[in-house]
Amino acid sequence: DVKVTQSSRYLVKRTGEKVFLECVQDMDHENMFWYRQDPGLGLRLIYFSYDVKMKEKGDIPEGYSVSREKKERFSLILESASTNQTSMYLCASVTTSQGNYGYTFGSGTRLTVV
Amino acid sequence: GNSVTQMEGPVTLSEEAFLTINCTYTATGYPSLFWYVQYPGEGLQLLLKATKADDKGSNKGFEATYRKETTSFHLEKGSVQVSDSAVYFCALARIGYQKVTFGTGTKLQVIP
Repeated sequence: DVKVTQSSRYLVKRTGEKVFLECVQDMDHENMFWYRQDPGLGLRLIYFSYDVKMKEKGDIPEGYSVSREKKERFSLILESASTNQTSMYLCASVTTSQGNYGYTFGSGTRLTVV
Repeated sequence: GNSVTQMEGPVTLSEEAFLTINCTYTATGYPSLFWYVQYPGEGLQLLLKATKADDKGSNKGFEATYRKETTSFHLEKGSVQVSDSAVYFCALARIGYQKVTFGTGTKLQVIP
């Protein structure tokens, strides 16, 4: 079964810490995405990557960066965590080589910044 | 630009009731359309999809038909169960584009 795996289900970090959220997919997908999900705001795109070492800003990139050194791994980095980054973070991947048939999502990481 | 509008929730139904969650979209060209489901504490799962006009996507008793003339993709189920309680997201993707545009989600609660 194809999978997108996020390294942690729950994380608690302190304000000012550098935080790494990891995402790995085993489907050889070229495109990977990071979203955050907050009540009443739906899913908001933070960053996405369409190839190794390539990245593009989404709708809310401020305070975040990403890394894609290998095709299967896409990392989200909170440079200096703040309480307003407390959220559910969702990773997704998709191939568009034969059309876009929808994302595969990971299970999510619920991050609390205290 | 692309957008997806779905009905506000929450929707509360009794078990075995008929479900409709409305979804309309705005997009150039002919996008692919999706419904995703998110169970409590989980990520999103693809529930069904349709890639061209008049296609019907179906899965687990849920159905949705791609209506180009009304730019709609309403989700239906004939008899809901308590286990269907979740948040449902309508979404679209333009041909050749990686990004998927999501609606804001509709929470469904099914009571015994």
